[in-house]
Amino acid sequence: GDSVTQTEGQVTVSESKSLIINCTYSATSIGYPNLFWYVRYPGEGLQLLLKVITAGQKGSSRGFEATYNKEATSFHLQKASVQESDSAVYYCALSETGGNNKLTFGQGTVLSVIP
Amino acid sequence: GPKVLQIPSHQIIDMGQMVTLNCDPVSNHLYFYWYKQILGQQMEFLVNFYNGKVMEKSKLFKDQFSVERPDGSYFTLKIQPTALEDSAVYFCASSSGLGESETLYFGSGTRLTVL
Repeated sequence: GDSVTQTEGQVTVSESKSLIINCTYSATSIGYPNLFWYVRYPGEGLQLLLKVITAGQKGSSRGFEATYNKEATSFHLQKASVQESDSAVYYCALSETGGNNKLTFGQGTVLSVIP
Repeated sequence: GPKVLQIPSHQIIDMGQMVTLNCDPVSNHLYFYWYKQILGQQMEFLVNFYNGKVMEKSKLFKDQFSVERPDGSYFTLKIQPTALEDSAVYFCASSSGLGESETLYFGSGTRLTVL
């Protein structure tokens, strides 16, 4: 079946430093899957941060960006300069094209930004 | 932005009893979902639901589970009877349609503890 791997369970970064959270995936469908980053801020529900449905494209939102790399089957999340308000749990996810919006999630990465 | 509400945030129940988890989806959304996250593990798809019917369910959606949305009110997940392994956080989500252009909106989850 499909799978998503986030190698870091916890990441701590100082404010204004750069960030990268790794995500790789494996999908069973013939076509390329849709890729997502979701974020959960403390006390809130999961919300979509960005998504990319075309291989090779880059998605961006709130200063974060991720590029759909089909050769490496990766979708790493990056930000040039993090803020304390970015502290949250980040989830990489995929869905099959033409599927029932069924998401396969990674384990999540807890980001702590130190002021 | 649109909100999905899940109340209560925590339910404690004795093994063998019935429990109903309630979800108030985004108004005018037509597709509804439940996900399950056991402590320390990934969020996993349970079921999706449209027009009064289950569209797709995973192997985690045991016979003891059922979903419904009577009279367009709450979207519910009922577990009867509960088992110890049902202890998890259950997340509800909704969307206005299917497909790559659609966004799933998630609630903040209900933590179910089965004693």
